[in-house]
Amino acid sequence: AQSVTQLDSQVPVFEEAPVELRCNYSSSVSVYLFWYVQYPNQGLQLLLKYLSGSTLVKGINGFEAEFNKSQTSFHLRKPSVHISDTAEYFCAVSGASSASKIIFGSGTRLSIRP
Amino acid sequence: GAVVSQHPSRVICKSGTSVKIECRSLDFQATTMFWYRQFPKQSLMLMATSNEGSKATYEQGVEKDKFLINHASLTLSTLTVTSAHPEDSSFYICSALVRQGAYNSPLHFGNGTRLTVT
Repeated sequence: AQSVTQLDSQVPVFEEAPVELRCNYSSSVSVYLFWYVQYPNQGLQLLLKYLSGSTLVKGINGFEAEFNKSQTSFHLRKPSVHISDTAEYFCAVSGASSASKIIFGSGTRLSIRP
Repeated sequence: GAVVSQHPSRVICKSGTSVKIECRSLDFQATTMFWYRQFPKQSLMLMATSNEGSKATYEQGVEKDKFLINHASLTLSTLTVTSAHPEDSSFYICSALVRQGAYNSPLHFGNGTRLTVT
């Protein structure tokens, strides 16, 4: 079974500052890793994913994440945030097999201050 | 890109009535769909996995007789909350699995349904 931990429930950041949202996972098998964003009263939108290959993954809206197998981490980063990035961010993990369930972390609320 | 349509977006019902939520994959066939529940300021909790043409697989603690799931076609899965009570009020989100070759692509999510039971 897999699990995922998001260490920060809230992250306040000033506009145009860099941000890192932390995510750690545990699994006994190979995994796929994801970051999703959720705006109020909406479903989830995929930001980026790691399936295999390069450990540095670039996604939409200027976000990127790095898969670190030795530290079992998949932290999300953005060099300069905008007000529009204010949202809830979820890290997720699934086993690398067919139709594996996706398990979500508890989420990190990113709030951008002007 | 793959689109998942969920309907209705909001529903208010009286205690004791049943509510049906639809989840459709608009431009692809989804053999597997997932239903999640999200309480305010919390993460998504998987309720059940819905496979086309077979019975849904429910997560531990989820009442299958209360949350009826039907996946009758490759593009439609429904969740019916039977005899709803105020504690069933929540945000329900569906997602569909799209397979690309040997790998599963990430889930595509509907926009969710806000259920309020009065």
